[in-house]
Amino acid sequence: EDQVTQSPEALRLQEGESSSLNCSYTVSGLRGLFWYRQDPGKGPEFLFTLYSAGEEKEKERLKATLTKKESFLHITAPKPEDSATYLCAVHPSGGSYIPTFGRGTSLIVHP
Amino acid sequence: DAGVTQSPTHLIKTRGQQVTLRCSPKSGHDTVSWYQQALGQGPQFIFQYYEEEERQRGNFPDRFSGHQFPNYSSELNVNALLLGDSALYLCASSVTGAYGYTFGSGTRLTVV
Repeated sequence: EDQVTQSPEALRLQEGESSSLNCSYTVSGLRGLFWYRQDPGKGPEFLFTLYSAGEEKEKERLKATLTKKESFLHITAPKPEDSATYLCAVHPSGGSYIPTFGRGTSLIVHP
Repeated sequence: DAGVTQSPTHLIKTRGQQVTLRCSPKSGHDTVSWYQQALGQGPQFIFQYYEEEERQRGNFPDRFSGHQFPNYSSELNVNALLLGDSALYLCASSVTGAYGYTFGSGTRLTVV
């Protein structure tokens, strides 16, 4: 069974204090790994797709990386507006197009 | 270009009642997936519709059913509501064969 584990569950940072969120996964084969941002009471908003180990993607203060067993979302010099829940999802290879989501990391950035 | 539209945004129902949630996919998307997200949890897959057929289903009871219309819009129906059905229900649309989802803002269902 596909499994996605995100850590930590919650993270509090001071503005400007860089950190990383982790997404470890167990799948029979990885088609792609997705990162989403979710604001309270809203639907997830797409951030990045990673397809192969060693791949990196960047967007503003966010940088996502991928290895064979985990992905990291690095947040550099975060601002209060980066506060949200960050979700990781993995698409397995094979006939299923259904991704498995982790429980997310709730990030709060204090001014 | 409108994204995924869900209605209603909020809903309060009584135990035992039935509810219908609606979703219009993003323009150009032909596949609709429904997710249930309890507070503090990740989205849990309910089912996916393509070409008006249920293509895949998650681990949800038969009380949860759906439909997709010729214009690709979709409905999620839940019968005999339980308190545990209270959650944010998310609709996600995609293009068949692709792996990117676009989510709607969700419907917050409260069962009392």
